[in-house]
Amino acid sequence: DADVTQTPRNRITKTGKRIMLECSQTKGHDRMYWYRQDPGLGLRLIYYSFDVKDINKGEISDGYSVSRQAQAKFSLSLESAIPNQTALYFCATSDFPATYNEQFFGPGTRLTVL
Amino acid sequence: AQKVTQAQTEISVVEKEDVTLDCVYETRDTTYYLFWYKQPPSGELVFLIRRNSFDEQNEISGRYSWNFQKSTSSFNFTITASQVVDSAVYFCALSERGNAGNMLTFGGGTRLMVKP
Repeated sequence: DADVTQTPRNRITKTGKRIMLECSQTKGHDRMYWYRQDPGLGLRLIYYSFDVKDINKGEISDGYSVSRQAQAKFSLSLESAIPNQTALYFCATSDFPATYNEQFFGPGTRLTVL
Repeated sequence: AQKVTQAQTEISVVEKEDVTLDCVYETRDTTYYLFWYKQPPSGELVFLIRRNSFDEQNEISGRYSWNFQKSTSSFNFTITASQVVDSAVYFCALSERGNAGNMLTFGGGTRLMVKP
């Protein structure tokens, strides 16, 4: 079984809709991250969480919110989706302390906003 | 601030050719970690290698090799005798030891197309 899972894997939605992307992990890691991938821009950090009570904004947090429901679950929400949020979204986890700052990625969620 | 540049946005080669993907990074930290990931057409990220800043030994794994040079802040990736299955987007990433959040900074990626 995969250590980091994301649901849904693909989603098509309409402008203005609220949508939630979910991430679950069985690695027992404290730290979780949400990234967005756009062509030519690599992955950029949206939000990250050190534990259930510690959530931090990343490079591109505008238009997004997150919820850390438990150590194993970290959700990303788009309150009112817009077309330029069409992208591939990745969840990742990291242990702490992490020997080499390694992160472990989920399979990704492909989101299309029409 | 950390930054990663992959100047080659797209490379096309014919099968069996050797190809090198360039990665140049910027960091103020003396201890940092460099990574390469492969993203095949299916979309997932596949971890390829991690290199610590204090270990400048080059590494070879089958057809893959990595050349880490601190003097030029580069961590280049070479595929020898490329195959069609190597077609993918490749990302270089950097994380500074002093970064409390273990944040990764990614380059923009290089799309490699290997033609039969």
